[in-house]
Amino acid sequence: DAGITQSPRHKVTETGTPVTLRCHQTENHRYMYWYRQDPGHGLRLIHYSYGVKDTDKGEVSDGYSVSRSKTEDFLLTLESATSSQTSVYFCAISDYRALLSGNTIYFGEGSWLTVV
Amino acid sequence: GDSVTQMEGPVTLSEEAFLTINCTYTATGYPSLFWYVQYPGEGLQLLLKATKADDKGSNKGFEATYRKETTSFHLEKGSVQVSDSAVYFCALILTQGGSEKLVFGKGTKLTVNP
Repeated sequence: DAGITQSPRHKVTETGTPVTLRCHQTENHRYMYWYRQDPGHGLRLIHYSYGVKDTDKGEVSDGYSVSRSKTEDFLLTLESATSSQTSVYFCAISDYRALLSGNTIYFGEGSWLTVV
Repeated sequence: GDSVTQMEGPVTLSEEAFLTINCTYTATGYPSLFWYVQYPGEGLQLLLKATKADDKGSNKGFEATYRKETTSFHLEKGSVQVSDSAVYFCALILTQGGSEKLVFGKGTKLTVNP
């Protein structure tokens, strides 16, 4: 298994509060991703990073921000949580060269977030 | 734009039945294609992959062939087991302008009954 740790694994928070999810990897992979998974939508990319301090938006980035100050950590922040952000959040990692050769990305085990 | 379309679920089969989950894609370049599986309460795991036309990916009795002419990557298994119950995602990866683009289908839930 790829060394990816997400924390917290489960969280319940109130509407309007900020929430930060952390993804930590031990693989030294360049690319890191945050996805959300919702019934009927599959996986949707929120933000991704292609290096330290290099990030870009995905298809559902509104209401989310990210930071990557170290290769191993990629933080996802919900600036003011809303009920529509109740979801399962997955972190993923990949190595650029691995992708070029047709290899894969590796997923964390998910973080279940409930906004009440 | 680039996209992946998979058959709507859920799919319910009896043990030892034949499984097909259809997947088609639209891409401007030459993607690599993947099937991922997600068991209840877990993250996604790579099931199989194919990186060029006519490649066949296989793993755990599952197979999928990269068909460029029909832009398809259908997942098949000859005899499913209860333990195959999971959600299956088709995905593609494109390299464009030096960066990677990852696109997933919406997933197909498979339930296998004894």
